Formats: sequence, C-alpha cells, structure tokens
Amino acid sequence: EIVLTQSPATLSLSPGERATLSCRASQSVSSYLAWYQQKPGQAPRLLIYDTSNRATGIPARFSGSGSGTDFTLTISSLEPEDFAVYYCQQRSNWPPMYSFGQGTKLEIK
Amino acid sequence: QVQLVQSGAEVKKPGASVKVSCKTSGYTFTHYAIHWVRQAPGQRLEWMGWINAGNDDTKYSQKFQGRVTMTRDTPATTVYMELNSLRSEDTAVYYCARITDNWSGTDVWGQGTTVTVSS
Repeated sequence: EIVLTQSPATLSLSPGERATLSCRASQSVSSYLAWYQQKPGQAPRLLIYDTSNRATGIPARFSGSGSGTDFTLTISSLEPEDFAVYYCQQRSNWPPMYSFGQGTKLEIK
Repeated sequence: QVQLVQSGAEVKKPGASVKVSCKTSGYTFTHYAIHWVRQAPGQRLEWMGWINAGNDDTKYSQKFQGRVTMTRDTPATTVYMELNSLRSEDTAVYYCARITDNWSGTDVWGQGTTVTVSS
C-alpha cells in the first residue's frame, strides 16, 4: 500500500501570504495525485486532480505541481475562506486503489 | 444538479452490522463509480473501496477486505455499503463520493452518515 506523508502538520499564515503544502509518497504514483480541502463539519471538496488540474470552480490561486513521489499544493495569496485542512490522495494503476495523507491544517496566524 | 444523499445516523452495538445507503440523482447512474470514505473523530480521511455502478465491479482496501460489501440497485440509482463485525474503532462519519470519469478524483460527495459503535 502506498503511504502518503504530508508536511507540515500545521501551517500558520496570515491572509495574503503564500502557502506551500507538501505531500510525499512512499513510492511513485506517477501523476495520479489529488488535493482536497475540508472545513469543519463538511465533506471534502476536490481542488486539484492529476497533480496540476484545477477542478471545476476552483480559483486560480490554487495550483498543484510535482511528479513521482513529491507533490506540492500552492495557494498564491490566502483568502480568509482558505483556512481549513488539506488532504492529498493518490490513485494507483488499474484497478485503482486509493489512499489519503494525514492532512495539513492551515490556520490563521 | 448532481446529488448524493445518504441515509441517517446509526447507533450499533459491537459485533453488529451497519448498512448505509447513498441515493444518487442528476446524472446517469451507470456512467460513474462511487467511493466510500470514512473519517473517525479528529482523524484523517480513510478510503474504504469503490463500486463501479456500471458493471458492479468492486475494489476494497485491504484493511476492510472480508468485512465490507458494496452493492448497487440500478433502478433505484442507489449504492450501499455494509460493514460487519463492528467495533468501537469503526465509529466514524461515512461518506459516499462520485469518482470522476477519469478516476482521478471525487467531484461530488454525500453529506456523510455518522455511525456510532457503542455497548
């Protein structure tokens, strides 16, 4: 099973700052890496799929990059509504199996 | 619009089974697969498995293999997740979520079903 490790566990920033979240896989996941945002009491929301593609309706300040085992979610300029927990998710080759990282909490400094 | 509506909260005793439903609407049911994902209180998201509503194929996480069954009812456009031999560690919110057509993510989620396992 592929293990995803996210860092940092908690990131404290102010609105307007740039956020960089990391996700490292225990083995290569090719480009099958997605990012989700989750707010308290809500279901997760898909932000990025296939490493760098924004999901429908996701603002351009969210971007994803990486390949193989190292991936990054960047939020270029934080808005108040961006403070939440972020999870990465990988998908293996066919038949697809999935797993999530442990999450990064993005909190207001 | 696309919606996934899950059944209500459940309270079960250890050793019992629970069956959660996920009623879909607003799209062609057989064109997509559905994940089941759970989240224990304060914990990470945990992938349990998927069911392909088009051909009834399933794939389960090794952690749940032998204890989980995912099924579909095509006329009712509903999928089900049954978890057996419940223990306290199974207390969690259980989500169904539609897998995108390229299998790269999940674009629509149910509201979640809280399952509490307690003696």
